[in-house]
Amino acid sequence: NAGVTQTPKFRVLKTGQSMTLLCAQDMNHEYMYWYRQDPGMGLRLIHYSVGEGTTAKGEVPDGYNVSRLKKQNFLLGLESAAPSQTSVYFCASTRGRQPQHFGDGTRLSIL
Amino acid sequence: EDQVTQSPEALRLQEGESSSLNCSYTVSGLRGLFWYRQDPGKGPEFLFTLYSAGEEKEKERLKATLTKKESFLHITAPKPEDSATYLCAVQGGSGGSNYKLTFGKGTLLTVNP
Repeated sequence: NAGVTQTPKFRVLKTGQSMTLLCAQDMNHEYMYWYRQDPGMGLRLIHYSVGEGTTAKGEVPDGYNVSRLKKQNFLLGLESAAPSQTSVYFCASTRGRQPQHFGDGTRLSIL
Repeated sequence: EDQVTQSPEALRLQEGESSSLNCSYTVSGLRGLFWYRQDPGKGPEFLFTLYSAGEEKEKERLKATLTKKESFLHITAPKPEDSATYLCAVQGGSGGSNYKLTFGKGTLLTVNP
């Protein structure tokens, strides 16, 4: 049972490039979330999904897009990467009121 | 807007020296308060959920308690392997059925042998 798997684990981009981060969960969870974690800022919610085909904005959504075409996958896209998006990105999933389960993160550097 | 404040930002203990971490919160209709542990280079790992004031949960050397305004994570006789960042998060009722969490900035605990 893998839980929440994030790919890639590391990535370096140049300003203006685009990329997609993939989150996959095998726990049949309805709810999925994307966070970013920066030094001194804690975990901040970017976007989330309450079910297949749905997405919604979180606290810091600007510059990101998401899609939830399949229940088990939640994709985070950066259309035109900026240095301010250098961060560690975490995906999480849950059935609802239960604890969120986290992946081990994607470390993204934008030069 | 839900808010979570954790203190101290960093805590250094000697092995066996007990202490407590604080999580103060303001939330509209608390659904749950969550404690997580995060090791360097890893994602947060769930420790406890507390749902109502007066509730307590224990796991090995850790004990979490909850009042209407704050939660404490008590660490009894800590060992070096307890060194980690401890995160507190609240789930409020104002968000409807999205079950979002609001996190504090964490407490970095270092336990020296």
